[in-house]
Amino acid sequence: ETGVTQSPTHLIKTRGQQVTLRCSSQSGHNTVSWYQQALGQGPQFIFQYYREEENGRGNFPPRFSGLQFPNYSSELNVNALELDDSALYLCASSLGPDNQPQHFGDGTRLSIL
Amino acid sequence: GQQLNQSPQSMFIQEGEDVSMNCTSSSIFNTWLWYKQDPGEGPVLLIALYKAGELTSNGRLTAQFGITRKDSFLNISASIPSDVGIYFCAGQATGTASKLTFGTGTRLQVTL
Repeated sequence: ETGVTQSPTHLIKTRGQQVTLRCSSQSGHNTVSWYQQALGQGPQFIFQYYREEENGRGNFPPRFSGLQFPNYSSELNVNALELDDSALYLCASSLGPDNQPQHFGDGTRLSIL
Repeated sequence: GQQLNQSPQSMFIQEGEDVSMNCTSSSIFNTWLWYKQDPGEGPVLLIALYKAGELTSNGRLTAQFGITRKDSFLNISASIPSDVGIYFCAGQATGTASKLTFGTGTRLQVTL
């Protein structure tokens, strides 16, 4: 069974640029959730994708957007990057959108200069 | 964003000792989960709890879902060096797209 995989593992960008992060869900999982984890804090929910549509969103601005593909993999896009966007971005997959345990990948470390 | 209150924030213990940590919320959750995160890695699910009052074990780990549905506890018995890491609780409420609300984390260090 393949776990959640994320790419790239590290990324350095400058303010104002755009970035795309990728996530492959665990085998059999159809739901993907994205989280932002700032240094020294717990992860914060960004949004969830189920059946290729956004299925809930946390307190993040519209410049954070996503996609889910028919194979359940997902992308997180962030436009107009700001210094505060520097964080570990985690993807989690689950068997469904409701009350299912979420299993995390190892994340993408994004640094904004 | 909202974070649940976890205590203690950090703890140093000796190998072989038992560890207790807890997590409290001002909101009710339908599911409580406990994760462990090692440096450079994502959180790994340890235990999931689905009913108020539920007590669940996973090896040396035991977790409880509080009766009020606003808290949860994690105990680790006979700690070993590989227990080192950051432990996060997370609550999940119905009708919120199953988003996880995480705690602030408990950093555990085990000395020989």
